[in-house]
Amino acid sequence: AQKITQTQPGMFVQEKEAVTLDCTYDTSDPSYGLFWYKQPSSGEMIFLIYQGSYDQQNATEGRYSLNFQKARKSANLVISASQLGDSAMYFCAMREGLGTPLVFGKGTRLSVIA
Amino acid sequence: DGGITQSPKYLFRKEGQNVTLSCEQNLNHDAMYWYRQDPGQGLRLIYYSQIVNDFQKGDIAEGYSVSREKKESFPLTVTSAQKNPTAFYLCASSIVGTGPYEQYFGPGTRLTVT
Repeated sequence: AQKITQTQPGMFVQEKEAVTLDCTYDTSDPSYGLFWYKQPSSGEMIFLIYQGSYDQQNATEGRYSLNFQKARKSANLVISASQLGDSAMYFCAMREGLGTPLVFGKGTRLSVIA
Repeated sequence: DGGITQSPKYLFRKEGQNVTLSCEQNLNHDAMYWYRQDPGQGLRLIYYSQIVNDFQKGDIAEGYSVSREKKESFPLTVTSAQKNPTAFYLCASSIVGTGPYEQYFGPGTRLTVT
């Protein structure tokens, strides 16, 4: 079974609008972390935001926020005020337990339109 | 500047040849990882290591080998047994532990085997 599911292969958003990228996860471990990464066409992986399973508040980092709904096992990324430079692949990932590798979803390609 | 270096950026090989991809980090991280990415796909774990002289297989280890003789270095060998080696290879490192310890990624190596 897939541990991380990203159901949107591609998304379009108008510049300056907000966009939500979906991510659902599957784990029975009570301690886990959720991560979002951005991958521009250059191929580098850029860390955006982290949410721990015990965190009470949704994580925010500048224009990025994570809509964490633990009971629904979802960790959607919200990008506010989209910019042309936000066009990229976005990956949701999860770490279970202590020091294990991240497991990645298949990603969502976001295209920002002027 | 601390970071992860991968070399070369592009690599071309003939079928049947083994090839070694380099990964070096100066972040003093204990854990290092190798992922493979195919076009339009997420990252799949090949091998990871949490300590020198020890490493674990990931989901797609067949046809690959690694070594971890130094903390800073985690080279990946793509052997002739790997049936479909053409892909983008990403190396990463991280602190070992729970919490917001993201994986830092190198710039990647694009391997083409013909």
